[in-house]
Amino acid sequence: AQSVTQLGSHVSVSEGALVLLRCNYSSSVPPYLFWYVQYPNQGLQLLLKYTTGATLVKGINGFEAEFKKSETSFHLTKPSAHMSDAAEYFCAVSRAAAGNKLTFGGGTRVLVKP
Amino acid sequence: KAGVTQTPRYLIKTRGQQVTLSCSPISGHRSVSWYQQTPGQGLQFLFEYFSETQRNKGNFPGRFSGRQFSNSRSEMNVSTLELGDSALYLCASSLEGSGDYNEQFFGPGTRLTVL
Repeated sequence: AQSVTQLGSHVSVSEGALVLLRCNYSSSVPPYLFWYVQYPNQGLQLLLKYTTGATLVKGINGFEAEFKKSETSFHLTKPSAHMSDAAEYFCAVSRAAAGNKLTFGGGTRVLVKP
Repeated sequence: KAGVTQTPRYLIKTRGQQVTLSCSPISGHRSVSWYQQTPGQGLQFLFEYFSETQRNKGNFPGRFSGRQFSNSRSEMNVSTLELGDSALYLCASSLEGSGDYNEQFFGPGTRLTVL
């Protein structure tokens, strides 16, 4: 079975500061890893994904994440927070044999202070 | 290209009733998945349909069911509603349903409130 743990249900950052959201996963097979963002009253939008290849992946809106197999982690970062980054972020895992089933972490709500 | 659409966006029902939610995938997408989002349980996978067949199912009671039509549109049904079924129900579509990674695109969700 797969599982995802996101450390910190709420994170507060100042505008211009580093955003770091932590995600650890467990999977018995090589995983596909994702970060999604959800704005109020909206669905999920894919920020970035890791399937194979380069372990440092870049996504939209200046976000990036690094797959570290030895640490079973896929932390999300953005060098400089913007007010528009205030949202809830979800880390998710799937695997090729599971079709399109995504297993999500509990989510981290980001507050950006001016 | 139009995104994933879900109808209705908001729904209020009472305990014991049943409800049907609809999802229209992006044109050309053949896989549709459903997720339930609640404050307590987070995002949980309900089921996935591909070419009118259920390919995968989450750990939900039999009161939750779904189907997919030949045009890939999907419906999910919840019978004998309980208060705990109050949630945001999200639908996601992708081109294919198995094998290599296929990006899923999510709709805005249907907010169901059970009174």
